Amino acid sequence: AQTVTQSQPEMSVQEAETVTLSCTYDTSESNYYLFWYKQPPSRQMILVIRQEAYKQQNATENRFSVNFQKAAKSFSLKISDSQLGDTAMYFCAYTNTGNQFYFGTGTSLTVIP
Amino acid sequence: ETGVTQTPRHLVMGMTNKKSLKCEQHLGHNAMYWYKQSAKKPLELMFVYNFKEQTENNSVPSRFSPECPNSSHLFLHLHTLQPEDSALYLCASSQDQVGPSGNTIYFGEGSWLTVV
Repeated sequence: AQTVTQSQPEMSVQEAETVTLSCTYDTSESNYYLFWYKQPPSRQMILVIRQEAYKQQNATENRFSVNFQKAAKSFSLKISDSQLGDTAMYFCAYTNTGNQFYFGTGTSLTVIP
Repeated sequence: ETGVTQTPRHLVMGMTNKKSLKCEQHLGHNAMYWYKQSAKKPLELMFVYNFKEQTENNSVPSRFSPECPNSSHLFLHLHTLQPEDSALYLCASSQDQVGPSGNTIYFGEGSWLTVV
């Protein structure tokens, strides 16, 4: 069964610093997709970044990048130059096909001014 | 704007009321979802519809009744709810296809439900 684990319930980072959020997953599939979603206090779930497992190159979106380690089944999110607006709950998610998605329990990130 | 619209955004209802949550997606997706998110709890998948057919019902109490008249619309009918049903209800959609936006789930802004 597919599972997604986020082992850091809460994290904090100083403004302008870099922070890394961890995510591991379990699957027997060879091709799948991984995601990070951001849920700010407004509670809208926003897609931050998407990674296709068959692509070896790590995805990047501006200040957000991932470290995708397929063999280790690890998918961490790095936020560079943290901003106050990055304060949110971050969810790691997995899907292979068939419109089935699996979410981690989330990491609450606080950016400290 | 994610292409998934939920109404109402906030709803307060008594335990004997009947109300409905509505979701509409403008993304041409073939799957739609209802999730429940309570305070300090993980996302809970409630229902999944693929091509208007219900493919998942995660042991949800019958006081929650979904309806999917077409691939673009999804409803959650509510009746005789309990105070513990107060939560954020998130609608989402996705498309099972190859491509830059395929196999990605997109969420609406959520409907805050308070049962009094």
